[in-house]
Amino acid sequence: QQQVKQSPQSLIVQKGGISIINCAYENTAFDYFPWYQQFPGKGPALLIAIRPDVSEKKEGRFTISFNKSAKQFSLHIMDSQPGDSATYFCAASMSSGTYKYIFGTGTRLKVLA
Amino acid sequence: GEEVAQTPKHLVRGEGQKAKLYCAPIKGHSYVFWYQQVLKNEFKFLISFQNENVFDETGMPKERFSAKCLPNSPCSLEIQATKLEDSAVYFCASSQKGWVNIQYFGAGTRLSVL
Repeated sequence: QQQVKQSPQSLIVQKGGISIINCAYENTAFDYFPWYQQFPGKGPALLIAIRPDVSEKKEGRFTISFNKSAKQFSLHIMDSQPGDSATYFCAASMSSGTYKYIFGTGTRLKVLA
Repeated sequence: GEEVAQTPKHLVRGEGQKAKLYCAPIKGHSYVFWYQQVLKNEFKFLISFQNENVFDETGMPKERFSAKCLPNSPCSLEIQATKLEDSAVYFCASSQKGWVNIQYFGAGTRLSVL
């Protein structure tokens, strides 16, 4: 019940294309869903996050779509660029708990020039 | 400071030796979280603090792992008698009261146990 399942494991996209990464969760007590970007040798950096009271959030080229009934959320990267090549992690946490993140297993994105 | 500072960047220990990792949270942040990232990219929560008090220690392997956050000092994570399977990158994150969900991560400490 504490797991967050992430897919795909890896993704190759052409420059200018749309990258889509999906996550699914079981625990309906989760109420905060962030996406992190991690470059090799660096710590995860917060990209964008959503709470279950909205179905979509957009920040620049990054959009989170949230489907509360299906318990799924996804990250869309529009106009993908080679500089977006990194590993992306979804996560979930509970404000009613101790805020610890349960992370997905990561998606390695490569954007071809 | 404006970022979470973790030291050292890389730590090499022989099996059975002690390892101590440090984390200075962002100034004004009262919550600190420790996570372990193993080779397959999986993150495991270890422990969190609210100021100097343990907030959640459900992920800590209590036999050999300990952690502290003392006033006016960096937080620390200590592993006694390291094992090969402790080889991982250890990340510290901090967040502020009222926005505890929003965690800012340091660059990590890579622990290699030989």
